[in-house]
Amino acid sequence: ETGVTQTPRHLVMGMTNKKSLKCEQHLGHNAMYWYKQSAKKPLELMFVYSLEERVENNSVPSRFSPECPNSSHLFLHLHTLQPEDSALYLCASSQDQGQTQYFGPGTRLLVL
Amino acid sequence: AQSVTQLGSHVSVSEGALVLLRCNYSSSVPPYLFWYVQYPNQGLQLLLKYTTGATLVKGINGFEAEFKKSETSFHLTKPSAHMSDAAEYFCAVRNGRNYGQNFVFGPGTRLSVLP
Repeated sequence: ETGVTQTPRHLVMGMTNKKSLKCEQHLGHNAMYWYKQSAKKPLELMFVYSLEERVENNSVPSRFSPECPNSSHLFLHLHTLQPEDSALYLCASSQDQGQTQYFGPGTRLLVL
Repeated sequence: AQSVTQLGSHVSVSEGALVLLRCNYSSSVPPYLFWYVQYPNQGLQLLLKYTTGATLVKGINGFEAEFKKSETSFHLTKPSAHMSDAAEYFCAVRNGRNYGQNFVFGPGTRLSVLP
């Protein structure tokens, strides 16, 4: 499935760094999502954007900052992360919020 | 509120054997149900989904699942396992009446296929 792409695929950063994760969907969808996938834990929904407006923020720490400049692109800006933030970050999109979601390959993040 | 449980975090089967991955859900309204598969170092891929209509749903790669309302279950099966089926499988539920409702995912079941 190449409809949703994510860059970079792997990222190592220190706790004082600032980095951004990028997601792009080529499916014409209008809803996009960020999930966090940690070992031995269910997928955690972080943010939902529908029609470029943030509609959900599930108590995510402010060191994670999403941005959705248009319906095809979604960013996750990272700053002063903690080692426990190391995880696989998955982006998904759907035709409308709540419809079948299509996932990108994820960004594997390691915070040292 | 919806919730999903998947019995068995790890299931091992022999190649050619039946695959059965269990999913039970909790929902106060008719659910939409989904199975996703995740291969190593990849994102989640939709296997199949149930929304309305026929309760036996066929998906990709020979998988199927049956919605049983009385048992609140949506177990995933495949008659004959193949080595390429080794992956992690996630069941998800969504409120079927709420158009904008988000998904709730289960914790996942890792399937190993032994030669």
